[in-house]
Order: sequence, then C-alpha cells, then structure tokens
Amino acid sequence: EPEVTQTPSHQVTQMGQEVILRCVPISNHLYFYWYRQILGQKVEFLVSFYNNEISEKSEIFDDQFSVERPDGSNFTLKIRSTKLEDSAMYFCASSRDRGPETQYFGPGTRLLVL
Amino acid sequence: GENVEQHPSTLSVQEGDSAVIKCTYSDSASNYFPWYKQELGKRPQLIIDIRSNVGEKKDQRIAVTLNKTAKHFSLHITETQPEDSAVYFCAASKAAGNKLTFGGGTRVLVKP
Repeated sequence: EPEVTQTPSHQVTQMGQEVILRCVPISNHLYFYWYRQILGQKVEFLVSFYNNEISEKSEIFDDQFSVERPDGSNFTLKIRSTKLEDSAMYFCASSRDRGPETQYFGPGTRLLVL
Repeated sequence: GENVEQHPSTLSVQEGDSAVIKCTYSDSASNYFPWYKQELGKRPQLIIDIRSNVGEKKDQRIAVTLNKTAKHFSLHITETQPEDSAVYFCAASKAAGNKLTFGGGTRVLVKP
C-alpha cells in the first residue's frame, strides 16, 4: 500500500537558521497538507496546497513559513528563520480529492530548534 | 473557526473491556469525522471515519456514532487488547474546506 514519506526523520537546528522539510505524497493524490504537533499537544493544521498554490493556511503559517512543490513528486515546507517554539513534529499528509476525503499522514519530521 | 473537544484525556481499561471516547465539535457545517490512532513516535493512522449522512459505522471491534443535532461523535472499542494502547485523536472537517481540526487526544492504556 502506498504511503506518504518524509525526510529527514529528525532535524536539529540553531535558532535563526532555515530548515526545509521534505515530503513525497502518495502519487495519485492532488491535495497536500502540513500539520504540526508540539510534544504532548494536539495536531494543528498549518497549510493545504493544491494545483501549485496554497488553498488555506492557519494563523500559525506566518511569513516565516512557505511551501513549494518543486517537482512532480516532492512537497516541501520551509521555515526561514527558526524560533525555539517551532520545535515540534511536522507531519505531511495527502488526499486524493478535496472535501471529506481521507488524509494519509507521513511518519513526521521531528524538528528541534536550539 | 471549528473547535473540537475530546474526552477523556486518559483512559485505562482492563483487557477485554470496552473503551469509549467522546468528541464534540462547534461548526455545524462539519460533515466528516475521522478517528486516528497514533502509537508512540509514529504517524497518525486512520482507523475509522464517518460522514454526516450516517449515524453509525462499525468495523470489527471499532464503531463510531454521530449525533449531528448535538454535534458530538464517539469512538467505541470493544474487547480491548493490549495492542489497542495508543493515543486516539478525533477530527472534524467540512466539505467546502478540507483541513482537519483535531481534538486534544485520548491516551488509552489497556492493562493485560
């Protein structure tokens, strides 16, 4: 069964540095998402992406964040200048279609900002 | 925006007993309600979902009920087994938008 994959599994960075988290969604899926989960807390929506543009973003997704689909398979989340509070598990997800459609999650990237 | 509340935050049951987790949502336009199971350090895995045109759905030992009038839905796990131990998240989504709004999670511990 196809799965969403993410790299790296762990990333440690210094405050103020840029990080890029990478995701490969399921191949026939059209909608892509980023969520984050701060340790011990609920999963929070960051952004959704379709047809090479952002569909929706949360208030967490400020100017420090950006997303891109640089080629036909990868979907990336960039954090330009990381803050301590960006430390979290970042999950990529994809769905075949919009609306009430199952979203499949990747294994996550654990980001630690020091 | 949508707000999803989940109770209890922790649940300890004896193996073989049933476990029930309840969620309430605030946006009456929400019409898709998935449940995810997350084992320690792993990805959330969809275990069951329900759409607003049905009141109940069952898959082996797992069932979900939905009360649209009261805006709440519940997960029922029967004959619990140690491998059911995990954190369970409910979520809600609207047809017109597709972001998932998650509840706070329930840590379920099944004691052998």
